Amino acid sequence: DAKTTQPNSMESNEEEPVHLPCNHSTISGTDYIHWYRQLPSQGPEYVIHGLTSNVNNRMASLAIAEDRKSSTLILHRATLRDAAVYYCILSSGGSNYKLTFGKGTLLTVNP
Amino acid sequence: GAGVSQSPSNKVTEKGKDVELRCDPISGHTALYWYRQRLGQGLEFLIYFQGNSAPDKSGLPSDRFSAERTGESVSTLTIQRTQQEDSAVYLCASSFSLVLSYEQYFGPGTRLTVT
Repeated sequence: DAKTTQPNSMESNEEEPVHLPCNHSTISGTDYIHWYRQLPSQGPEYVIHGLTSNVNNRMASLAIAEDRKSSTLILHRATLRDAAVYYCILSSGGSNYKLTFGKGTLLTVNP
Repeated sequence: GAGVSQSPSNKVTEKGKDVELRCDPISGHTALYWYRQRLGQGLEFLIYFQGNSAPDKSGLPSDRFSAERTGESVSTLTIQRTQQEDSAVYLCASSFSLVLSYEQYFGPGTRLTVT
């Protein structure tokens, strides 16, 4: 399975944008990029996913590099409720259901 | 609407005992998934169901682990002869269909402690 690399932790201030990076240099052509987040003591929550083009939804934006070897999850205005572990995950088109989570990035949001 | 629910929320058991963990998916969701999360680690995929069929059991760690699903409803994960390394949070998720598996809805998990 293609691996992802994320920073262990990041900090942000409330109401500022946050850019969470993810490297996936061994991504294959059929791999989708998923982002989930996990708030303390809760199950993971879907954030966004994409294949090649940048994606926007009500929670965040996903910017995918042209060579697809990296991507960035963008939270446009961080709130205290966005403090969580953010996971960048790859899954191949034939097994999108098999989400293998790494250790993710712990995002701290300062008031 | 109601989300994915799991029971019990916490389970402490002695090594060697069997345990059964339950998952109630979101009504109408045909696909159901089980994951395991060890302390301080990411999630490990265990098994998924499409309806009551389990086409992929590749993530089950050993033959002590088994899972069943009744129709497109409740699922149970059974661990026989529990070992200390089975201690983890067991998470269940569901999605509307396998095609929409990229958006999985997770339950709060069952924290299993084997003493």
